[in-house]
Amino acid sequence: NAGVTQTPKFRILKIGQSMTLQCTQDMNHNYMYWYRQDPGMGLKLIYYSVGAGITDKGEVPNGYNVSRSTTEDFPLRLELAAPSQTSVYFCASSKGGTSSPLHFGNGTRLTVT
Amino acid sequence: EDQVTQSPEALRLQEGESSSLNCSYTVSGLRGLFWYRQDPGKGPEFLFTLYSAGEEKEKERLKATITKKESFLHITAPKPEDSATYLCAVQANTGNQFYFGTGTSLTVIP
Repeated sequence: NAGVTQTPKFRILKIGQSMTLQCTQDMNHNYMYWYRQDPGMGLKLIYYSVGAGITDKGEVPNGYNVSRSTTEDFPLRLELAAPSQTSVYFCASSKGGTSSPLHFGNGTRLTVT
Repeated sequence: EDQVTQSPEALRLQEGESSSLNCSYTVSGLRGLFWYRQDPGKGPEFLFTLYSAGEEKEKERLKATITKKESFLHITAPKPEDSATYLCAVQANTGNQFYFGTGTSLTVIP
């Protein structure tokens, strides 16, 4: 069972470069989320989606973009990378509905220098 | 504003020494409170969902309880393999977002 798969696992970017973090899930979940995790700060929601074609901003959306063209995939785009975007990024999915838990991928560690 | 606060930040226990982790929450109508375990370099792994005050869930050496303002994760006779960061999250009735605490880093010493 693959669950939620994120690629790449690690990436180093120079300031101003762009990249896409990939996330795919094989559980047919409607809801998908992107979080960033910084030391001592907990998980902060960047964007989420309740289904294909629908996306919404979370707590910290600035500097990021998302799209949801299929149920399975929810890529996160970083334009003009900045050092403040150095973090570990987690993608998660859930069935949605009453109290369905999140299922997480193993993260992408991104460093912007 | 929905908020989650976890304490302590870090906890060191001797193997077999039972203890509890705290999660205090403020939410405008609780849809669910979730406990996760996170190992270094991995994503959080789901442990429990609690829905309302008085509910309890158990799994091996872990038991989660909840009141109207806080939840506890009780660890009975822990083993070194229980060492991890434990995260608490809440989901409100009003939306689809989950709000996470900063976690408790648990180290169990043999």
